[in-house]
Amino acid sequence: QMQLQESGPRLVKPSETLSLTCSVSGGSIIGQHWNWIRHSAGKGLEWIGRVYGSGSTIYNPSLESRVTMSVDTAKNQFSLRLTSVTAADTAVYYCARDPAGYYWFDSWGQGTLVTVSS
Amino acid sequence: DTQMTQSPSSLSASVGDRVTITCRASQNIGASLNWYRQKPGKAPELLIYAASTLQRGVPSRFSGSRSGTDFTLTINSLQPEDFATYYCQQSYGTPPHTFGQGTRVE
Repeated sequence: QMQLQESGPRLVKPSETLSLTCSVSGGSIIGQHWNWIRHSAGKGLEWIGRVYGSGSTIYNPSLESRVTMSVDTAKNQFSLRLTSVTAADTAVYYCARDPAGYYWFDSWGQGTLVTVSS
Repeated sequence: DTQMTQSPSSLSASVGDRVTITCRASQNIGASLNWYRQKPGKAPELLIYAASTLQRGVPSRFSGSRSGTDFTLTINSLQPEDFATYYCQQSYGTPPHTFGQGTRVE
């Protein structure tokens, strides 16, 4: 059974860069679609973007100027970078798998709370 | 962006009840609607995709239907583990693929 686990700093200062990694076990990252989704009190659940196993990406237009996603096939991991963060980026961040490329999400990490504060 | 409006925002129910949650899309999304259950402190779990297809391993008491831009999640015979928050999500066309604001079943 596929398992996903987020890791990264829980506290980020305003204007700095949020960086998270999702480690995938129980299956290969290659040939699948991997997503980042966040959940905040202000905006609810928000899809951030998707990276394919080959490295191609598509992002939420509202975040596109600040987001970069990448894959590391050797480590079976994929990553999120969000630059110039503000308090509005405080949220629980989830990584999730899209099994068929149709933007529904069948496997999720447990989520990690990232707080933006000085 | 397509807006997804869920109703009600919360409801009270008892074990054994039949529960219905509705999600309305602000424009045509075909059958590209998915439902999730989120228990407190846990990640969302996929229940139904493409409006009415039950995800593997999900109990048959869950069902989904569509009428135009209105979508319904029905839970027959509510179980203790079903007291949670439910979200719809549209997956039509190009992103962003937006979520509803949630329905809390308590």
